[in-house]
Amino acid sequence: GENVEQHPSTLSVQEGDSAVIKCTYSDSASNYFPWYKQELGKRPQLIIDIRSNVGEKKDQRIAVTLNKTAKHFSLHITETQPEDSAVYFCAAPRPNAGKSTFGDGTTLTVKP
Amino acid sequence: DTEVTQTPKHLVMGMTNKKSLKCEQHMGHRAMYWYKQKAKKPPELMFVYSYEKLSINESVPSRFSPECPNSSLLNLHLHALQPEDSALYLCASSQVGVAYEQYFGPGTRLTVT
Repeated sequence: GENVEQHPSTLSVQEGDSAVIKCTYSDSASNYFPWYKQELGKRPQLIIDIRSNVGEKKDQRIAVTLNKTAKHFSLHITETQPEDSAVYFCAAPRPNAGKSTFGDGTTLTVKP
Repeated sequence: DTEVTQTPKHLVMGMTNKKSLKCEQHMGHRAMYWYKQKAKKPPELMFVYSYEKLSINESVPSRFSPECPNSSLLNLHLHALQPEDSALYLCASSQVGVAYEQYFGPGTRLTVT
């Protein structure tokens, strides 16, 4: 089955700095890669995703890059703010299985 | 309506109780999911319903029994649970075949005593 590895498990940055979280996946058939943000005590929320035929996608301060050859994709957050503090999960769907495999999560702390 | 709702928000039950968790969505999604989430861990898939039929059961113990009465509702019936079943139970929905774009409910925080 699909194996998704996410690094780092914890990340602490100063407000205004950038944060990068990386995921690798094993199933070459995976073709769509979402990122979820889960604030403490709240639901996971889809914040950005990227299709396999696109190398990069941006939405304001967040961006996702994909390297299909190397089977990894990354979440980039620029100009971090304290409200960016949360657990971030990547996911890789298994196209014919009707489900997604989640990474183990990265706890991001943005210090003011 | 772009929200998935879940009731109750919190539930405390004894090991001999029977209770049910409820999930509702009005986004026209025909795929619905139950997840179990422990603290600081990713959501762990339990069941998937596609067009109101159970399509995936991730070898979940029979003390958890899902039900999909219609395209908007998803229930999880609980019976004879163990303390280790205490967790956040999340419901999610998506278009069928679009498992990468799931919308999650706020979850039910379950404590088994």
